Amino acid sequence: DIVMTQTPLSLSVTPGQPASISCKSSQSLLHSDGKTYLYWYLQKPGQPPQLLIYEVSNRFSGVPDRFSGSGSGTDFTLKISRVEAEDVGVYYCMQSIQLPPTFGQGTKLEIK
Amino acid sequence: EVQLVESGGGLVQPGRSLRLSCTASGFTFGDYAMSWVRQAPGKGLEWVGFIRSKAYGGTTEYAASVKGRFTISRDDSKSIAYLQMNSLKTEDTAVYYCTRVIGSGYVNYYFDYWGQGTLVTVSS
Repeated sequence: DIVMTQTPLSLSVTPGQPASISCKSSQSLLHSDGKTYLYWYLQKPGQPPQLLIYEVSNRFSGVPDRFSGSGSGTDFTLKISRVEAEDVGVYYCMQSIQLPPTFGQGTKLEIK
Repeated sequence: EVQLVESGGGLVQPGRSLRLSCTASGFTFGDYAMSWVRQAPGKGLEWVGFIRSKAYGGTTEYAASVKGRFTISRDDSKSIAYLQMNSLKTEDTAVYYCTRVIGSGYVNYYFDYWGQGTLVTVSS
C-alpha cells in the first residue's frame, strides 16, 4: 500500500496568518495519463470529511480561494493564505493512483 | 442537493453480522460508484471498499482488512448502497461513512460527497 505521511501533525495559527501542510507519498502519484491523483479533505469537528482539493490543485465547488494545493510526484502541499476560525479541523491528504486508496494520518489545525 | 444518509449502525457482539444502508438523493444514483470509508474512535480515515456503477460492471473492491467478511451491494432502483458486515471484530468499531465516488473506480476516482456516518460498536 502507498503510505501517505503528513507534517506537521498539528498546528496552531493566528487568524489572518497563513498555514501550510505537507503530504508525502511513498510512491509517485503521477499516472501515465499525465494526471496526479492527490486529494485534500477537511474534517471539521463533529462532521464528516469534506473535499477541498482534487488532482493536486483544483478546488472543489464552494471551496474558498484562500485554499490552494500544489506539488508533484511524491511531495504535496496544502496552503491556506489567511486562516479563518471556520478552518479548524483535521486535514487529510489521500491518494487514489493505486488500490487501496490511502489517507495521511491527518493534521489538526487549531486557532490561536 | 446531494444527500447521503447512512443507517443500520449499533452495538453488535463479536462474530455477529450487521448490514448498513446508504440512501442517496439529489443525483442519478446508478451513474456513480459508491464507497464506504470508516473512522475508528479518535483515529484517521480508512477506506473499506466500493462498488462501481453498472456501466463499469458493478464490480467491487475491498480493503484487505475486511475482504472476505464485508460485502458491498447496490439497488439502483431504490438508490441505496449496502454494506453487509459479517464475522465482526472489535477492531471494526468505527463510524462508517458512505461516499459518492467521482470516476469509474479504476483510475482517477475520489470521494466528493459524504454522509454523516453511522456508528458501529463491536463489543461483548
